[in-house]
Amino acid sequence: QSVLTQPPSASGTPGQRVTISCSGSSSNIGSNYVYWYQQLPGTAPKLLIYRNNQRPSGVPDRFSGSKSGTSASLAISGLRSEDEADYYCAAWDDSLNVFGGGTKLTVL
Amino acid sequence: EVQLVESGGGLVQPGRSLRLSCAASGFTFDDYAMHWVRQAPGKGLEWVSGISWNSGSIGYADSVKGRFTISRDNAKNSLYLQMNSLRAEDTALYYCAKDMSPDYYDSSGYQNWGQGTLVTVSS
Repeated sequence: QSVLTQPPSASGTPGQRVTISCSGSSSNIGSNYVYWYQQLPGTAPKLLIYRNNQRPSGVPDRFSGSKSGTSASLAISGLRSEDEADYYCAAWDDSLNVFGGGTKLTVL
Repeated sequence: EVQLVESGGGLVQPGRSLRLSCAASGFTFDDYAMHWVRQAPGKGLEWVSGISWNSGSIGYADSVKGRFTISRDNAKNSLYLQMNSLRAEDTALYYCAKDMSPDYYDSSGYQNWGQGTLVTVSS
């Protein structure tokens, strides 16, 4: 049972906009930054969003993050086949880093 | 180019010990916090431990506290994880990850990851 709650799966068609939710509590998302990671099949995770809504250099602006209260969302616009991957949210909780269980995104 | 190369994984019996290493290159190692994150087969990500740039602050997941010890040698650009009293549930791919901040508790996210080293705990 993960501290942060994500839907196990999501899907969309090419060009569509999809969102992935991440729910936490006042001790993690409610009082700390949220991070999002993308893990393509068979590869190491990649940082997509840091500090709620910041994109590292090289991450397309199709990816965006937001946070409200104890929940956060990752939005992917203009969905592409190469976006098919597992997505994880993360936050700090009293000096411990906690992850969501992950959402498997399927591009139909 | 930032490179993180983990080593030291393998098959080990329950109750035994193992030491993982992560060799870093392509950046000023002692400017950044470092972390270990693991992923059990077919499962999600789990943060294991983090260490600040000067080893002044260290943190552990509850699941490994008292059994694992993280350390770093800035002169050798290396990160370590000493794992004692290993259990079957410690079986996972262990990733070394570089933070974007110097202090592990003030993290800016894990910007770079190694390819991982597999630890299998089984009799």
